[in-house]
Amino acid sequence: DAGVIQSPRHEVTEMGQEVTLRCKPISGHNSLFWYRQTMMRGLELLIYFNNNVPIDDSGMPEDRFSAKMPNASFSTLKIQPSEPRDSAVYFCASSLYRSGANVLTFGAGSRLTVL
Amino acid sequence: AQKITQTQPGMFVQEKEAVTLDCTYDTSDQSYGLFWYKQPSSGEMIFLIYQGSYDEQNATEGRYSLNFQKARKSANLVISASQLGDSAMYFCAMTPSAGGTSYGKLTFGQGTILTVHP
Repeated sequence: DAGVIQSPRHEVTEMGQEVTLRCKPISGHNSLFWYRQTMMRGLELLIYFNNNVPIDDSGMPEDRFSAKMPNASFSTLKIQPSEPRDSAVYFCASSLYRSGANVLTFGAGSRLTVL
Repeated sequence: AQKITQTQPGMFVQEKEAVTLDCTYDTSDQSYGLFWYKQPSSGEMIFLIYQGSYDEQNATEGRYSLNFQKARKSANLVISASQLGDSAMYFCAMTPSAGGTSYGKLTFGQGTILTVHP
């Protein structure tokens, strides 16, 4: 089991550029989550999908952020245009509900720096 | 709305000793799940332990146990026989529903940095 795979691991870009973060969930998991971690705000849920359908995107900061899940094995989080305040670690996580719990398995994270 | 409070920004423990990391929560849901995750300096988030709100027994996973006190709305993590590798950030988290359909919409606390001294 390869776990949740995120790319890129590190991204440095300039303000105004488009950023695309990618995620491959664990095979067989039916829920996928995007979280953002910053020192100031901690871990925040941005959006989550269930069976490839977006369920709750209320955590997406603004229209510059968008997320897609075209199939069960791939999701993207896009920021366009990027701003310095978007600098953070972005985590993707997937889960499969079982035994009364929905335990999330996190990817290694994508560290984004916007200059 | 759910809220998790971790009041200890940092904790220190001697190797081989036990340590308790505090977590209190607030929710209006009758059914919920509580989790602890570990984040070492390398950055990944590692699941440690889960407790359902209707579970009568406190959860245990190896050296980790969750001291669940429902009336006090607390879910403290106890690590027994601390090891140097336990040094990390620890997050308490909860989801709105444990017994039914749960989408894992975790709300996290601010975390506690644990340092294990040799």
